[in-house]
Amino acid sequence: ETGVTQSPTHLIKTRGQQVTLRCSSQSGHNTVSWYQQALGQGPQFIFQYYREEENGRGNFPPRFSGLQFPNYSSELNVNALELDDSALYLCASSLLAGFGEAFFGQGTRLTVV
Amino acid sequence: GIQVEQSPPDLILQEGANSTLRCNFSDSVNNLQWFHQNPWGQLINLFYIPSGTKQNGRLSATTVATERYSLLYISSSQTTDSGVYFCGFVGTASKLTFGTGTRLQVTL
Repeated sequence: ETGVTQSPTHLIKTRGQQVTLRCSSQSGHNTVSWYQQALGQGPQFIFQYYREEENGRGNFPPRFSGLQFPNYSSELNVNALELDDSALYLCASSLLAGFGEAFFGQGTRLTVV
Repeated sequence: GIQVEQSPPDLILQEGANSTLRCNFSDSVNNLQWFHQNPWGQLINLFYIPSGTKQNGRLSATTVATERYSLLYISSSQTTDSGVYFCGFVGTASKLTFGTGTRLQVTL
């Protein structure tokens, strides 16, 4: 059984650029959620995908978008990067949307300069 | 929305000591989990404990859903236990809402 994997682990981007972060869900899981964690704070929910459809969204602007593929892997895209987007981005997978235990990847640390 | 508060916010222990971390929530919750965030940022699952008591080695957790709290016990702490401990629950929109975290430092 493979765990949740994220890529890349670290990334540096310039303000105004676009970035794509990737997540492979744990084997057998059909739900992927993305979280943003700023330094010194708890993770904040961005959105969730269940069977390739968005299934809930947090308080993030539309320039944060996502995608889930038929194999349940997922991408997080952020357009027009701002300095405040610098954070640790965490992906979690679970078997059932809204239920069941969530398992997290190791995260992608994004720095916007 | 449901508020989650963790206490204490910071804790310094000597190796070998025991500790209790608390998670209070303002309303009934489901799917309560405890996580340990290591220094590299990864959230490690400790317990999935909507109610009752579970034990895993030196760690154990108890959730009393009717009284809206959960406790995480760490016995015989080790330096590798250092990090931030979060409780979280699944509420509306299928999202995990995290508590404020307890930062634990275990010293030699």
